[in-house]
Amino acid sequence: EIVMTQSPATLSVSPGERATLSCRASQSVSSNLAWYQQKPGQAPRLLIYGASTRATDIPARFSGSGSGTEFTLTISSLQSEDFAVYCCHQYNDWPLTFGGGTKVEIK
Amino acid sequence: QVQLQESGPGLVKPSETLSLTCSVSGGSISSFYWNWVRQPPGKGLEWIGYIFYSGSTNYNPSLKSRVTISVDTFKNQFSLKLSSVTAADTAVYYCARARSAMVDFDPWGQGILVTVSS
Repeated sequence: EIVMTQSPATLSVSPGERATLSCRASQSVSSNLAWYQQKPGQAPRLLIYGASTRATDIPARFSGSGSGTEFTLTISSLQSEDFAVYCCHQYNDWPLTFGGGTKVEIK
Repeated sequence: QVQLQESGPGLVKPSETLSLTCSVSGGSISSFYWNWVRQPPGKGLEWIGYIFYSGSTNYNPSLKSRVTISVDTFKNQFSLKLSSVTAADTAVYYCARARSAMVDFDPWGQGILVTVSS
């Protein structure tokens, strides 16, 4: 199965700063990659699909890039509501797999 | 706006069968793929499997021997059964919708914690 590795595990950022999260696939997943935001007790929220397309109602400060095995989620200016766990997901091959997540915390 | 809600027992005994239901509101269960995903405490997400509204299924090979996913189009809900559970099956279980077999998941339910313990 394709192993998705996210780094760093935890990212400490001040409000208003930029956050850059990485996701690496053990083999190419083309652009078949999504990013989700997770908050405790809430449903995971789709942010990005197709590696770089923002989902409906997702603010422009969220952007995704990459293809093949290297992907990046960038939050251009962190707002208070953005402190959460972010997870990548490949849907290029079976079984579908997810990364371990990056926790973005307040610095 | 489609909403998903998981329901079922929060505590299951070892060796028994875990049974959960996902109720879909605000939209029809037809023409979509319905997935189960779980997240053990402190770990990442793991895809369990999906069912198409017509009844076809696909399961993660790591769980295939113990998993059954079914759909009830009349009740607009689908269900998960995981047999012979152990403590390793303790997790938050999510249901999620997909537009086709190999795409992103949107939306998700808020999840239900299931603990396996005697």
